[in-house]
Amino acid sequence: GAGVSQTPSNKVTEKGKYVELRCDPISGHTALYWYRQSLGQGPEFLIYFQGTGAADDSGLPNDRFFAVRPEGSVSTLKIQRTERGDSAVYLCASSPRARVAGELFFGEGSRLTVL
Amino acid sequence: AQTVTQSQPEMSVQEAETVTLSCTYDTSESNYYLFWYKQPPSRQMILVIRQEAYKQQNATENRFSVNFQKAAKSFSLKISDSQLGDTAMYFCAFMKHQGGSEKLVFGKGTKLTVNP
Repeated sequence: GAGVSQTPSNKVTEKGKYVELRCDPISGHTALYWYRQSLGQGPEFLIYFQGTGAADDSGLPNDRFFAVRPEGSVSTLKIQRTERGDSAVYLCASSPRARVAGELFFGEGSRLTVL
Repeated sequence: AQTVTQSQPEMSVQEAETVTLSCTYDTSESNYYLFWYKQPPSRQMILVIRQEAYKQQNATENRFSVNFQKAAKSFSLKISDSQLGDTAMYFCAFMKHQGGSEKLVFGKGTKLTVNP
């Protein structure tokens, strides 16, 4: 597809379970971002990849959160021992190397509900 | 740390009329970018307009324009000739001017409804 694809669209899990959220960026985009959007809030930065490496992971809230991008395209956000406070929409965005600063192309997000 | 404040949780406007959404921000940086992003019910964030702080001229994109007041740290969005498709959440965002990570700091958003 032409846009950023995120799967699953919705995920319901139980407290304490492990969750993986996948992001397939626009082909050729070198930069990839994860944001978290809680109910009634704006998106909050989690992590930024340039290629395969995490260039900035300062937004990850704690060590239960981890993200990878092993081949420089698809990325997976991993959440261990989920808590009810992790419930949110997780947004992925990508941008090309030659980009307009701040112009990110977002996916439709993965809504995570932790019961 | 930078903060972005949107003081209008909800607004409504009649189709074809003009509406202005407010945004203020706090930063000690002298060079930065400001943005308005739109989020329709599909959840996909879309860039509406962008302003570079060192440019005094206000950015415009078709029906969308901004009023950037650097000294007051204010960045409002004006939508002219409102259309039903403009109904969405609108987020104001800030980004430091630096190489590397493009970390956007978003406000809480304003829900805009355009009524027929």
